[in-house]
Amino acid sequence: DIQMTQSPSSLSASVGDRVTITCRASQGIRNDLGWYQQKPGKAPKRLIYAASSLQSGVPSRFSGSGSGTEFTLTISSLQPEDFATYYCLQHNSYPPYTFGQGTKLEIK
Amino acid sequence: EVQLVESGGGLVQPGRSLRLSCAASGFAFDDYAMHWVRQAPGKGLEWVSGISWNGVSIGYADSVKGRFTISRDNAKDSLYLQMNSLRAEDTALYFCAKDEHPTVTNGGEFDYWGQGTLVTVSS
Repeated sequence: DIQMTQSPSSLSASVGDRVTITCRASQGIRNDLGWYQQKPGKAPKRLIYAASSLQSGVPSRFSGSGSGTEFTLTISSLQPEDFATYYCLQHNSYPPYTFGQGTKLEIK
Repeated sequence: EVQLVESGGGLVQPGRSLRLSCAASGFAFDDYAMHWVRQAPGKGLEWVSGISWNGVSIGYADSVKGRFTISRDNAKDSLYLQMNSLRAEDTALYFCAKDEHPTVTNGGEFDYWGQGTLVTVSS
């Protein structure tokens, strides 16, 4: 199985900050990676697909990059509604599809 | 508007069974693979099982293989998860998720999710 290691596991930041979350795959997964945002008590919402493509309707302050084993999600200027937990998901190798363990983004 | 509505969760004793359902609307259900993803209380997301558009190709996480069975009824636009021999560690919120692709082997891009149904396994 491919392991996805996400860092950091938690992050405190302020409105307006630029933040970056990293996901590392235990083996190469090309660009077969998505990023999801989850707010408490809600379903996950996809932000990024194919590592760097922005999901329709998602603000342009979100961006993704990477290929192979290292990937990043960047929020260029944090907004209050961005405080949530973020997960990466690899879909290169199946079964299983594997998520990162999550990054909880909190208000400083 | 795409909608996925899960049902069937509840409190069940260890070793017993439960069947989850997911009612889909707003898209051509029989064109897409579907999945179950779960989230234990306070924990991260775990992919549980997936099924191709025609029900032919199916996959499971090792943690549920041999105990859970995924199925679909395209005539009813519905996805199911039969859970047998339930354990305390199966306690979680179970989400139904739509894949962008028709097959599970080339899928794994979840574009829509339901709100989940809670399964609690406890004596």
